[in-house]
Amino acid sequence: NAGVTQTPKFQVLKTGQSMTLQCAQDMNHNSMYWYRQDPGMGLRLIYYSASEGTTDKGEVPNGYNVSRLNKREFSLRLESAAPSQTSVYFCASSVTQGSGNEQYFGPGTRLTVT
Amino acid sequence: RKEVEQDPGPFNVPEGATVAFNCTYSNSASQSFFWYRQDCRKEPKLLMSVYSSGNEDGRFTAQLNRASQYISLLIRDSKLSDSATYLCVAHNNNDMRFGAGTRLTVKP
Repeated sequence: NAGVTQTPKFQVLKTGQSMTLQCAQDMNHNSMYWYRQDPGMGLRLIYYSASEGTTDKGEVPNGYNVSRLNKREFSLRLESAAPSQTSVYFCASSVTQGSGNEQYFGPGTRLTVT
Repeated sequence: RKEVEQDPGPFNVPEGATVAFNCTYSNSASQSFFWYRQDCRKEPKLLMSVYSSGNEDGRFTAQLNRASQYISLLIRDSKLSDSATYLCVAHNNNDMRFGAGTRLTVKP
């Protein structure tokens, strides 16, 4: 039982390049999330998927797209990377989206955009 | 103003000390609350949920005051292994908001 896995662990992009961050969970959770974490800002929700087949914007969705490929996998795409997207990206999952459900986090992807 | 505010610290305490962190939230619709622990360059991990009546888990005690919209975490008998950043979280059905975290260093 690996929990939540993310790839890659580290990535350096040039401005304007695109990439997809991958996330998978093996806990049979319905809900999945993408956050970014910046110094002094805490984690901020980019997009979430309450259940397979649905996605919704979070607090900071601009510049990102997501795909809920199946129940296990939720990917985050940067179409044209900008230096402001330099951050640590965490994927998380929970049984459902409702209140009271703890979220389990993956190990993170450290992205630098030059 | 951030929705969840925490004193960033750092709190530097000796082993065995008692330390308390407070957190305030602005969204009165928040329904559930958590404390997460995050070690340096690692992912957040749930430390404990916070219940209205307050709850205790070993050396850790969490309290919720809905009227004043604040949450607290008390750590008794601090261990070196408690050194980490503690994240306060306020959650309603569609939104989970994290504080920026309070950094704790426990020294020998």
